[in-house]
Amino acid sequence: DQQVKQNSPSLSVQEGRISILNCDYTNSMFDYFLWYKKYPAEGPTFLISISSIKDKNEDGRFTVFLNKSAKHLSLHIVPSQPGDSAVYFCAASADSGGGADGLTFGKGTHLIIQP
Amino acid sequence: NAGVTQTPKFQVLKTGQSMTLQCAQDMNHEYMSWYRQDPGMGLRLIHYSVGAGITDQGEVPNGYNVSRSTTEDFPLRLLSAAPSQTSVYFCASSRGVSGANVLTFGAGSRLTVL
Repeated sequence: DQQVKQNSPSLSVQEGRISILNCDYTNSMFDYFLWYKKYPAEGPTFLISISSIKDKNEDGRFTVFLNKSAKHLSLHIVPSQPGDSAVYFCAASADSGGGADGLTFGKGTHLIIQP
Repeated sequence: NAGVTQTPKFQVLKTGQSMTLQCAQDMNHEYMSWYRQDPGMGLRLIHYSVGAGITDQGEVPNGYNVSRSTTEDFPLRLLSAAPSQTSVYFCASSRGVSGANVLTFGAGSRLTVL
């Protein structure tokens, strides 16, 4: 039973255009969401997060949108750059429950930025 | 600024052998955890610890043991390796135990069990 779903294993976007990565979740107890970025042969690194009390969080070229009623979040990257080519993991936590049992990760989306 | 250090980076084992993956962090983080990454499966939590002397199971704990005798170290032990444990293992830590705390990951340990 996959509680965090990233239905696109890969996504190819032209440099300079917008990249939109999607994530759906099923557990209504999730109230904190994070995106991690992973390059080959490296560990994941934190990118951006959003609490369920917000519907948008922005950090430079990266914006995360949360639609609680649809249990859907998306990561927008504008403009996309070659260095953005990586695997992006969506993760969720039932933070109000302590979160000590860790984050639940999606399977990841491999973003490829074409020159 | 070492962050989270994992050793070894690569290891090949034969079925039935035992080994320990080492993890150390120098950030005085309270929370530490181990994940495994398999193709098409994302990151799955194996074990975690909310402080020295306290450990608990995650989503896929079978075949693995952990201990947390110090704040800095969180080794993962495979007592009798199986081919199904072929994976990339990531250790991670965070300052607090709530899910809102950002995890800092190590670079990973790639394990192959023949």
